Formats: sequence, structure tokens, C-alpha cells
Amino acid sequence: RKEVEQDPGPFNVPEGATVAFNCTYSNSASQSFFWYRQDCRKEPKLLMSVYSSGNEDGRFTAQLNRASQYISLLIRDSKLSDSATYLCVVRGAGGSQGNLIFGKGTKLSVKP
Amino acid sequence: EAGVAQSPRYKIIEKRQSVAFWCNPISGHATLYWYQQILGQGPKLLIQFQNNGVVDDSQLPKDRFSAERLKGVDSTLKIQPAKLEDSAVYLCASSFGAQETQYFGPGTRLLVL
Repeated sequence: RKEVEQDPGPFNVPEGATVAFNCTYSNSASQSFFWYRQDCRKEPKLLMSVYSSGNEDGRFTAQLNRASQYISLLIRDSKLSDSATYLCVVRGAGGSQGNLIFGKGTKLSVKP
Repeated sequence: EAGVAQSPRYKIIEKRQSVAFWCNPISGHATLYWYQQILGQGPKLLIQFQNNGVVDDSQLPKDRFSAERLKGVDSTLKIQPAKLEDSAVYLCASSFGAQETQYFGPGTRLLVL
């Protein structure tokens, strides 16, 4: 089982749509969770951290279910500028201090 | 505030040649990371430095890859000799501490022919 698994995508949605990305992780001892965004041919950038109680940042909502080892990202009212690859990221547990483990990413294309 | 700087941005070499990449982290960031991102994959950690010491190099192919951060500031990553499967984007990231947010540089895109 891969350490971090995501929906393969791509997701092609019209502007204004709501889209949800799912992610599962294998190490139950993981403590920190993130969503990064990566534009085509650019570096990854932190979109938001994911907290146990769930958290929202504008049109973006992240959820964490520790029991199921499941993370989600919901984007409401999609904009053309949301087109990017969304990477689910888990911080390594145990001896791997600060190590980020990335999923393969899910590509989102928002169409007019 | 200046971001993470990397050079070169692009490099094309033939297999069995050597190549080196350079990274200058954000000023004051003690932790520096090198990642490899193969097309269609997420970044994979190669090595992590805390100041000038190696914290984790468990995924670094040490028979051909080496990295150093001698003065605890900038860092170089070397591949010698390169293989076709080394074609990837090499991303450098830095953070204030090991548990802090990592900021990525623009990457070096390597093509091995």
C-alpha cells in the first residue's frame, strides 16, 4: 500500500462547480496533514493545513478522519484559476523529522 | 523576502555524465531539503539537512547521488554518473525548523539523454 494515495483524476469541471478530492494515508502515527497546490511547471505551494476538527479557508474546506486515515479537500464555486494539481501531503512520523510524504496529485481543470 | 533560489533552471546531459544543482534557501532557514519529482508523481524526499548536518538521506541513491551543505546555508546536489531514470525536476525546499512550513524553489528540470 502506498503511503499516501489520491484520486487519480483528472477532474474536468465547469466554472462554479463544487469538486472534492480524497486522499488516504497508511501510517496511523502521522500527525500533520496538508494540501499543496502545484501549477503546471511550477513548484508546490502550501494551500492549507488540515486540522482534526476540519478547517475552512474561503472556498476551500479540508477535513481529516483519523479513524479512517482519510483526508479530503472541497472546493466550492470553482474558478478558472483553481486549475492546478492538488497534492495530498502527510508529515512523516517517528524518526523522519519533518519529512513530507506527497501523494501523486490530482489534476483539476476548470473550464469556462 | 527572497524565496528559495535554484540554478540552473534547466539542464540536458547525456547518460553517464555528471551534473550539479545549487540551492540557496530563504535567509535564516536552518532546514534544507532536496526532492526529486518525476513526471506524474509527487515530490520524493532525497535528503534533509539541519544546518550543515544530514538528518535523513535514507532515500538518496548514494552510489550516484551526493549532497552537501558545508556552511549550513547553500547546498549542492550532484549526480555522477547520471542515468536515464534520473530525468526529473529537482526541487529544493527550506524551512525555519524541521516542523515548520516548507517553501519550495522553482526547481531544476533535468533531462538525461
